[in-house]
Amino acid sequence: DAGVTQSPTHLIKTRGQHVTLRCSPISGHKSVSWYQQVLGQGPQFIFQYYEKEERGRGNFPDRFSARQFPNYSSELNVNALLLGDSALYLCASSSRTGANYGYTFGSGTRLTVV
Amino acid sequence: GENVEQHPSTLSVQEGDSAVIKCTYSDSASNYFPWYKQELGKRPQLIIDIRSNVGEKKDQRIAVTLNKTAKHFSLHITETQPEDSAVYFCAASNYGQNFVFGPGTRLSVLP
Repeated sequence: DAGVTQSPTHLIKTRGQHVTLRCSPISGHKSVSWYQQVLGQGPQFIFQYYEKEERGRGNFPDRFSARQFPNYSSELNVNALLLGDSALYLCASSSRTGANYGYTFGSGTRLTVV
Repeated sequence: GENVEQHPSTLSVQEGDSAVIKCTYSDSASNYFPWYKQELGKRPQLIIDIRSNVGEKKDQRIAVTLNKTAKHFSLHITETQPEDSAVYFCAASNYGQNFVFGPGTRLSVLP
C-alpha cells in the first residue's frame, strides 16, 4: 500500500517565479495538510483540506495557496518566490475518522530559491 | 493561538541510558499530542501519541505522559540504542486540526 507521495522531490527556482507542489494521500485518507519545515526548525502549518474544503490556514502570506481535488490529491502553489521560501515542504494525510488523528507525512519537496 | 515549547534542544545519552524530552503547550483546548521522529534527510514519523483523556501511554521502550493541569507532556525512551539518534518533535492539536510543533530535540545516543 503506497504511502503519501509528493512530487517533485527537489526543485530549484529563481526569486519571483511560481512553483506548484503535488501530493497524493494514502488511499482512503480524505484529509491533506501542508507544512513548511525550514532547516533546523519544526514543521509550520500552512493549510489543511478535508473533503476538498479548506479547513485551516496558517500564518502564511497570500502568495501561498492550495487546493484539493476530487481524488483527494492536493496542490500547493507559491507565487512570487522569495529566498525565505527555501524549505522542505511536507504533505501529510490522515483519515480523520473516529479518534484517529495521526498524520502520515510524505518525504517532502525540498525547494531552493536562488 | 497555540504555542509549544520543547526542551532540551539537544540531548546526548550513553547507549542503554534513558532519555526524557519535555514539552509545554499553551492552549487548554488542545487534546491530541503526537511525537514524531525525524532522521536526517527523512520524513517525520509518528512514534507515539496521547489524547487528553489519558495520562500515560507506553509502547515497548517508548512512553509518553501528559499533565493537563500543568499543560505539559513528556517523551521517555528507555534502554536507548544508536538507532534512536534523531530529531524528535512534539506537537499539540485540537481534534487533529492544524498541528503546532515544538522546535525539536536532537538526540544523540553515544555507543
